[in-house]
Amino acid sequence: DADVTQTPRNRITKTGKRIMLECSQTKGHDRMYWYRQDPGLGLRLIYYSFDVKDINKGEISDGYSVSRQAQAKFSLSLESAIPNQTALYFCATRPDDYNEQFFGPGTRLTVL
Amino acid sequence: GQNIDQPTEMTATEGAIVQINCTYQTSGFNGLFWYQQHAGEAPTFLSYNVLDGLEEKGRFSSFLSRSKGYSYLLLKELQMKDSASYLCAVKNQAGTALIFGKGTTLSVSS
Repeated sequence: DADVTQTPRNRITKTGKRIMLECSQTKGHDRMYWYRQDPGLGLRLIYYSFDVKDINKGEISDGYSVSRQAQAKFSLSLESAIPNQTALYFCATRPDDYNEQFFGPGTRLTVL
Repeated sequence: GQNIDQPTEMTATEGAIVQINCTYQTSGFNGLFWYQQHAGEAPTFLSYNVLDGLEEKGRFSSFLSRSKGYSYLLLKELQMKDSASYLCAVKNQAGTALIFGKGTTLSVSS
C-alpha cells in the first residue's frame, strides 16, 4: 500500500463549485504540505502544517483553505473553484528529524 | 525573497554524462535539494546538500557552492529511464518549507 495517498486522483468540476482534495498518510509524519504544479511554473506551496493545531500559509494560499483533521489527514478545499485553479495538486509529508519530503501521487483537477 | 534558476530543457545521449545547473538567491540558506519527477508522477528525492562540496550517490552526484549560490546535479552513464524533470529546491528563510525552481526537463535519446 502507498504511504501517501490522495483522493480523488482526477476531478473535473465547474466554476463556482466547492471541492475538497484529501490526503492521507501512514508514515507517521507530523509535517504535511500541499503544492500545486502548473506547466512552466514548477511546484508552488499552498499550505503546510506541522501538527494538528498548526496551519501555515504558503506562497499561493489565496482561494484555498485547509483542514488538518488528524496527524494522518490533511485536506485542501477550494471554496469556489475558478478555471485558473486547474492544475496538478500534490500532498507531501516529512518527518521532523529528516529533510526528505515524500509526495503523494497527485490529483489532477480541471475547473471548467 | 528567494529565486531559483535552472535551464528549462536539456538533451543527452544514452551512456553520456550530463550536468544540470541550479543557481539560487536566498535571504538565508538552509539546504538545497534535488528531486526527480517523471511525467505525470510524483517527485522523488535524489539529494540534499547543506555544506559545500560533492555528494555522490551511485550514478547521481550533487555539488554545492554556498558562496556562489550554485549547485549542479551530475548524472553519469545516462539511461533512457533518466528522461524526466529535475527539480532544484531550497528551504525558505524560516527553514519550514521548500521553494522549488521550475525544473529542467531532460530527454535522453539512444
